[in-house]
Amino acid sequence: KAGVTQTPRYLIKTRGQQVTLSCSPISGHRSVSWYQQTPGQGLQFLFEYFSETQRNKGNFPGRFSGRQFSNSRSEMNVSTLELGDSALYLCASSHEGYEQYFGPGTRLTVT
Amino acid sequence: KQEVTQIPAALSVPEGENLVLNCSFTDSAIYNLQWFRQDPGKGLTSLLLIQSSQREQTSGRLNASLDKSSGRSTLYIAASQPGDSATYLCAVAYSGAGSYQLTFGKGTKLSVIP
Repeated sequence: KAGVTQTPRYLIKTRGQQVTLSCSPISGHRSVSWYQQTPGQGLQFLFEYFSETQRNKGNFPGRFSGRQFSNSRSEMNVSTLELGDSALYLCASSHEGYEQYFGPGTRLTVT
Repeated sequence: KQEVTQIPAALSVPEGENLVLNCSFTDSAIYNLQWFRQDPGKGLTSLLLIQSSQREQTSGRLNASLDKSSGRSTLYIAASQPGDSATYLCAVAYSGAGSYQLTFGKGTKLSVIP
């Protein structure tokens, strides 16, 4: 069974630009969650989607948004990038709240 | 607000030693607890999942315990090897409105010296 895949793996963007990251969950998993990891704050929950609906959202500004498609693939978007958005963005999929499986992450650098 | 603390932040041990990593959490109403491993610059690898009704789980040289009443979990690694060097993260899940959100500790960075 293929694992969680994330694309792209690395991104370099300039302040003020926007970016879209993609996540394909494990086949059969309908829950997709996104996390931001930085050296200072550690891993922080961004949002969770289940069957194309956002079920939960962390404490992040509205510049961070996401969506989920009918095939459970998910995208997250960050608009008006700031230097502080530089981070490793991790996606996780699970079968209804059981064990969560993480992808390799997308390393975003904002210059 | 759920808070997760991991002690120590870093640990260095000689190869072959048995070791224990600690995790504590403030809200005992958890759904489950998961231990992960993270290698530098990589994603998270799930090691063990303990449901809230369970007391421990074992996988190979790893054993994780859970004491919900005291808000503690431990990860025991037997006969450590250099390949075990990584950051170990503890995460608790609680359910709300049908969603299962993980709250992570800051991790313990383990170095196993050959």
